[in-house]
Amino acid sequence: AQSVSQHNHHVILSEAASLELGCNYSYGGTVNLFWYVQYPGQHLQLLLKYFSGDPLVKGIKGFEAEFIKSKFSFNLRKPSVQWSDTAEYFCAVNARSGGGADGLTFGKGTHLIIQP
Amino acid sequence: EAGVTQFPSHSVIEKGQTVTLRCDPISGHDNLYWYRRVMGKEIKFLLHFVKESKQDESGMPNNRFLAERTGGTYSTLKVQPAELEDSGVYFCASSYYRGNTEAFFGQGTRLTVV
Repeated sequence: AQSVSQHNHHVILSEAASLELGCNYSYGGTVNLFWYVQYPGQHLQLLLKYFSGDPLVKGIKGFEAEFIKSKFSFNLRKPSVQWSDTAEYFCAVNARSGGGADGLTFGKGTHLIIQP
Repeated sequence: EAGVTQFPSHSVIEKGQTVTLRCDPISGHDNLYWYRRVMGKEIKFLLHFVKESKQDESGMPNNRFLAERTGGTYSTLKVQPAELEDSGVYFCASSYYRGNTEAFFGQGTRLTVV
């Protein structure tokens, strides 16, 4: 079975600080990797995803993530955060095997609070 | 284009009652997923429809939960009878393709069983 671990449940930063949210997954096969974000009062939306190719992927709003296969990690980064980045961030995976389960396995989420 | 819509947004019911949640996916999306988040825990997969067929229902907690997707359009998730531990936020998501594609989520239904 797959599992996803997000290292920090709550993170508080000041504006312009750099951000890195950790994500490790456990799965014996090949996976697709995602970061979703939920802004206050809004639905979950995709920040970025990785399934093949360049392990450094860029997403919306200046976010990027790096897939390190040897470490089973997919950490999310942003060089300079803004107050509007205050949200809950979720790392998720699903199995890439054809015809297999597509449902996402999520981490517990990280509440990010940006102080002005 | 309308996004994924879920009804109701909130529901408070007594233990033993029945509740039906509804999800309207994005038009043309064959894949529809149900997830649940119990307070303090991670979002957990419940099941996946491809059109009207259940592709994967491995996450359904028990036989008190029944999901349907008649005609391959909207879906319902019925909980009967509801128990206290069923409280949480139920999310629906839809996607055009499977696997490595983006799933679009609804706002969720917050279910409270008292």
